[in-house]
Amino acid sequence: DVKVTQSSRYLVKRTGEKVFLECVQDMDHENMFWYRQDPGLGLRLIYFSYDVKMKEKGDIPEGYSVSREKKERFSLILESASTNQTSMYLCASSLMYGGIFYGYTFGSGTRLTVV
Amino acid sequence: KNEVEQSPQNLTAQEGEFITINCSYSVGISALHWLQQHPGGGIVSLFMLSSGKKKHGRLIATINIQEKHSSLHITASHPRDSAVYICAVYRAQTQGGSEKLVFGKGTKLTVNP
Repeated sequence: DVKVTQSSRYLVKRTGEKVFLECVQDMDHENMFWYRQDPGLGLRLIYFSYDVKMKEKGDIPEGYSVSREKKERFSLILESASTNQTSMYLCASSLMYGGIFYGYTFGSGTRLTVV
Repeated sequence: KNEVEQSPQNLTAQEGEFITINCSYSVGISALHWLQQHPGGGIVSLFMLSSGKKKHGRLIATINIQEKHSSLHITASHPRDSAVYICAVYRAQTQGGSEKLVFGKGTKLTVNP
């Protein structure tokens, strides 16, 4: 089974701190995604990457950046954390090969609280 | 209007009841995904389907492409089925890259013993 591992389940950071959320997948998937999930809003796409060093903005990229230096690792960076970035963050990966889509696999999520 | 609408938002059932969760979408899609999220956050894929019907244990998912509608059914519901169920559709991108999921807001199911 594909495994997507997020480095922390719970994180508490102070306003203004630089925050790194790490995500690693072990099945050589090209595509990786970062979402945030908030009550009443569902999952919203922050950034995604379809190859090493490639990144594209999702629906809510403001206040975030990403890094994909290796295929298996996709990092989400909060340059200066703010209280409105308190949320559940979910990483996912997916594979598309020969026009066939093999579906998404999600990590367990990181619940970030910014105080 | 959201591209993916789920109903109901909240659902409470007694153990043993037959449960249906509905998903309607307004965009052209290549496939639809049903996901389950338990308290604590992790999301598990239940089904990915692009036509017809799929069954896994007590779970059944159907999709009607013409009507842009999908349903998730749970037979003989159990308290361990309590979770948030999320419908998501694959909306193909127009300029390369990968397909992206567009999510519904989820249906919170509580099954009481």
